[in-house]
Amino acid sequence: ETGVTQSPTHLIKTRGQQVTLRCSSQSGHNTVSWYQQALGQGPQFIFQYYREEENGRGNFPPRFSGLQFPNYSSELNVNALELDDSALYLCASSLEDTLYNEQFFGPGTRLTVL
Amino acid sequence: AQKITQTQPGMFVQEKEAVTLDCTYDTSDPSYGLFWYKQPSSGEMIFLIYQGSYDQQNATEGRYSLNFQKARKSANLVISASQLGDSAMYFCAMRDSSNTGKLIFGQGTTLQVKP
Repeated sequence: ETGVTQSPTHLIKTRGQQVTLRCSSQSGHNTVSWYQQALGQGPQFIFQYYREEENGRGNFPPRFSGLQFPNYSSELNVNALELDDSALYLCASSLEDTLYNEQFFGPGTRLTVL
Repeated sequence: AQKITQTQPGMFVQEKEAVTLDCTYDTSDPSYGLFWYKQPSSGEMIFLIYQGSYDQQNATEGRYSLNFQKARKSANLVISASQLGDSAMYFCAMRDSSNTGKLIFGQGTTLQVKP
């Protein structure tokens, strides 16, 4: 069974640029959630995709957008990067969108905005 | 509003001893789930243990147990027989039925195990 994978591992961008982060969910999982974790903080929920539809969103501006593909992999896109977007971006997958299913996290993408 | 509070920024424990990491939560939803995750310096979040709001017994997973006190809205993690590899950041998280996809995390507790 393959776990959650994310790419790239590290990324450096400059302010104003756009970035795309990728996530492959664990085999059989149809739900993907994205989180932003600033240094020294707990992760903050960005949004969730369930069967290719956005299914819940946190307090993030519209320049944070996403996609989920038929194979349940997912992308996180951030436009007009700001310095405060520098963070670890975590993707998590789960079997179904239910209260009780644990989310399995990938290793994260560390984004630095200069 | 949903909230998770972890009041211990850092903890030390001697190897082979037990340690308790505190977590309190706030939600008005009667259906919710509580989770603990471990985050080593590599960054990956590792699921440790889950407690449902309707579970009658405290959850246990190997050396991890969750001391669930519903009336006090606390869900403390107990690690028995600490090992050097337990040194990491620990996060308490909650999900309720108003938004099942959203895990709300606390600020975390850094645990250091001393040899």
